[in-house]
Amino acid sequence: DIQMTQSPASLSASLGETVTIECLASEDIYSNLAWYQQKPGKSPQLLIYDASSLQDGVPSRFSGSESGTQYSLEINSLQSEDAATYFCQQHHDYPYTFGAGTKLELK
Amino acid sequence: EVQLVESGGGLVQPGRSLKLSCVASGFTFSNYGMNWIRQAPGKGLEWVAYISSGSSYIYYAETVKGRFTISRDNAKNTLYLQMTSLRSEDTALYYCARWDYGFAYWGQGTLVTVSS
Repeated sequence: DIQMTQSPASLSASLGETVTIECLASEDIYSNLAWYQQKPGKSPQLLIYDASSLQDGVPSRFSGSESGTQYSLEINSLQSEDAATYFCQQHHDYPYTFGAGTKLELK
Repeated sequence: EVQLVESGGGLVQPGRSLKLSCVASGFTFSNYGMNWIRQAPGKGLEWVAYISSGSSYIYYAETVKGRFTISRDNAKNTLYLQMTSLRSEDTALYYCARWDYGFAYWGQGTLVTVSS
């Protein structure tokens, strides 16, 4: 199975700051990566697909990038509503696997 | 509007069975592959199973293979998950999700609790 190592597990940032969350794939997943946001008590929401494509309706302050097997989610100009847990997920091969999640807290 | 509504969860004893359903609306159900994904309380997401639009391709996580069966009825716009030999570690909120270029649509989930 492809392992997705996500970091950090948690982070705290202030309004207006920029944060980066990373996922390292255990093998090449050829950009087949998605990012999700989950707020407490809610279902996850797709933010990014194919590593860097923004899902319809998602604010442009969210962006995705890749470098080899390292994938990153950047959130610019943090807003209060960005407080949530973020997950990466590879869809290169079954079983699809998720990262362990990053809990983002706003100071 | 795409809607996915799960049902069938509940409290069940270890070793027993349970069948989950997910009714889809707002799109042509028969055109899309569908998935079950679960989330144990306070934990991360675990993909459970996938079924292609015409049921030709089915995949399972190793943790449920041989115990869970995914199926669908395109005439009823309904996805199913038959769960047998349930274990305490199967306790989770079970979501159905439509696959596009990612899991673009999710239901609200149905809670399965396995406990004696």
